[in-house]
Amino acid sequence: DAMVIQNPRYQVTQFGKPVTLSCSQTLNHNVMYWYQQKSSQAPKLLFHYYDKDFNNEADTPDNFQSRRPNTSFCFLDIRSPGLGDAAMYLCATSRDYGSGQGGGEQFFGPGTRLTVL
Amino acid sequence: DQQVKQNSPSLSVQEGRISILNCDYTNSMFDYFLWYKKYPAEGPTFLISISSIKDKNEDGRFTVFLNKSAKHLSLHIVPSQPGDSAVYFCAASSSSGTYKYIFGTGTRLKVLA
Repeated sequence: DAMVIQNPRYQVTQFGKPVTLSCSQTLNHNVMYWYQQKSSQAPKLLFHYYDKDFNNEADTPDNFQSRRPNTSFCFLDIRSPGLGDAAMYLCATSRDYGSGQGGGEQFFGPGTRLTVL
Repeated sequence: DQQVKQNSPSLSVQEGRISILNCDYTNSMFDYFLWYKKYPAEGPTFLISISSIKDKNEDGRFTVFLNKSAKHLSLHIVPSQPGDSAVYFCAASSSSGTYKYIFGTGTRLKVLA
């Protein structure tokens, strides 16, 4: 089955210790997104790639970086995690931009829950 | 500023009855709306959507209603089943914005057997 895979599912890191979260997709979609979701809050878009073009949201902290070495993989790097970065991180893909049947429907991975000690 | 609001954090419904989940939005530029369902330990999965040119879209037991003048949409599940117990997220996007979904905070639905 074509899908969006996130590894690891649970990640524990120490305050200030860099951490990398991984996302891969077998859908061959052009667009890959990273969302942060804190408890009882809405998923918040951090950034996305259209192919190799990186698009950062204006309010995404500099502490968060991303890499997309190829179509299938995208990484989220948190350079110096703080306690406030503990959250669920969701990766999503879409075939293209646009709404729904125009190819913009987003498919989500299961998420990585990050704990910062 | 929360542009998409789901004011009910939780809802309990008896099996076989109707579940109604509500969502309000503030941005009049939104023209496409979606509902996602999320089970524990899984990512959100697409459920149903509606374009602003329609006021209703139906898919089996799921119907979404859109009231543009009130900036309100609702998801109806009839009849509700225990397997429908999940968190439901409303999301909105603008065709002029191309890619960005704005999500609500979700409503946890519990269907009681």
